[in-house]
Amino acid sequence: DTEVTQTPKHLVMGMTNKKSLKCEQHMGHRAMYWYKQKAKKPPELMFVYSYEKLSINESVPSRFSPECPNSSLLNLHLHALQPEDSALYLCASSQGGPIQNIQYFGAGTRLSVL
Amino acid sequence: AQTVTQSQPEMSVQEAETVTLSCTYDTSENNYYLFWYKQPPSRQMILVIRQEAYKQQNATENRFSVNFQKAAKSFSLKISDSQLGDTAMYFCALEETSGSRLTFGEGTQLTVNP
Repeated sequence: DTEVTQTPKHLVMGMTNKKSLKCEQHMGHRAMYWYKQKAKKPPELMFVYSYEKLSINESVPSRFSPECPNSSLLNLHLHALQPEDSALYLCASSQGGPIQNIQYFGAGTRLSVL
Repeated sequence: AQTVTQSQPEMSVQEAETVTLSCTYDTSENNYYLFWYKQPPSRQMILVIRQEAYKQQNATENRFSVNFQKAAKSFSLKISDSQLGDTAMYFCALEETSGSRLTFGEGTQLTVNP
């Protein structure tokens, strides 16, 4: 099973709303990732969690707040977003550790900020 | 810093024919991994094939094969017997063994015509 599950699939929110994106995997992976993807562009890395600790933050605005409650779950809390934050948000996971590991992606959450 | 270049924004091929997607990259490291991911309209990024830089033998996965030229820093993907389901955006990606981040190319939109 190489499944990464993301919910919701679609989300529409106003600029004053607070919402959360959820990502779950049950492959025993210890590294999890958030990416932002604009249409017809490659994914851009936002955050990396390794063994439930934030290891990479690509200078993402504070209106995006990641959380890793346990090794299977990754959340992205959204607050006071801007219309330019509308995009596909992808979650990925990999085994983690010192050797290279394949990243497995979820189907993403399509976010629209009005 | 590593870079990945895909010089073909769009390509098309007839069903059952063969098509080759190009990718060049640059890295200062000797150990790294190269990937081809596909992203169909369903949005999920799916790993197509993976190549370890230290292996001279080209990777093959069923109808998909790569031509890895390490000295030329070239990593092309050949799709044989193209199928309608191969229609997708294809991303070439590189990951250095010293880091945990994927560097993606800009992508090639492949359309398989009936």
